[in-house]
Amino acid sequence: EVQLVQSGAEVKKPGESLKISCEASGYSFTSYWIGWVRQMPGKGLEWLGIIYPGDSDTRYGPSFEGQITISADRSTSTAYLQWSSLEASDSAIYYCARRRVVVGLTSGFDSWGQGTLVTVSS
Amino acid sequence: DIVMTQSPLTLPVTPGEPASISCRSSQSLQQSDGYNYLEWYLQKPGQSPQLLIYLASNRASGVPDRFSGSGSGTDFTLEISRVEAEDVGVYYCMQGLQTGLTFGPGTKVDLK
Repeated sequence: EVQLVQSGAEVKKPGESLKISCEASGYSFTSYWIGWVRQMPGKGLEWLGIIYPGDSDTRYGPSFEGQITISADRSTSTAYLQWSSLEASDSAIYYCARRRVVVGLTSGFDSWGQGTLVTVSS
Repeated sequence: DIVMTQSPLTLPVTPGEPASISCRSSQSLQQSDGYNYLEWYLQKPGQSPQLLIYLASNRASGVPDRFSGSGSGTDFTLEISRVEAEDVGVYYCMQGLQTGLTFGPGTKVDLK
């Protein structure tokens, strides 16, 4: 069974750093992209970026380049999303999701994590 | 960035009746391979999003056949042939053509 299990809720202060995780199981971690999606309170979905653990190819959404870092550890089948200095506006639920792309063709984000709630408040 | 729009933004539905959601992109989502890189997701209340449709018209694994996707270029439609109570939630379209993936604003579907 394919599973993406995310780390637990976090409460942080502005200026602090944070790294949340997404542990994959039930499939070949290096054969699928892992994307990150943000959902601010009461709002819609926003795509942050994506990584291919097979070769660590990483892409970022234009609004998020330089604001976040996405990484992956093949040895533990875990993807990460991190911030060096949080702001209150980073408060949101963050989802990871896997995406298959073969010869350019995609079958969508077909499996999602349960979400990690990040609260940034002084 | 490719901008995605959806209509309507809210859709009251009656169980057993059909329903339809429209999605439009600011530029064509059709690649030279002929495929349209448009996906549909449903986020049920309190849950993570789930994939319904990819490449505009392909149902994801396990998705009931009452859901269908159509369209090409810049205009797409998600149709539910007979709405069931479990179909309530927010439906999002998303373009997968350009990195810098973008979602539509969402259409909230609830029961009348």
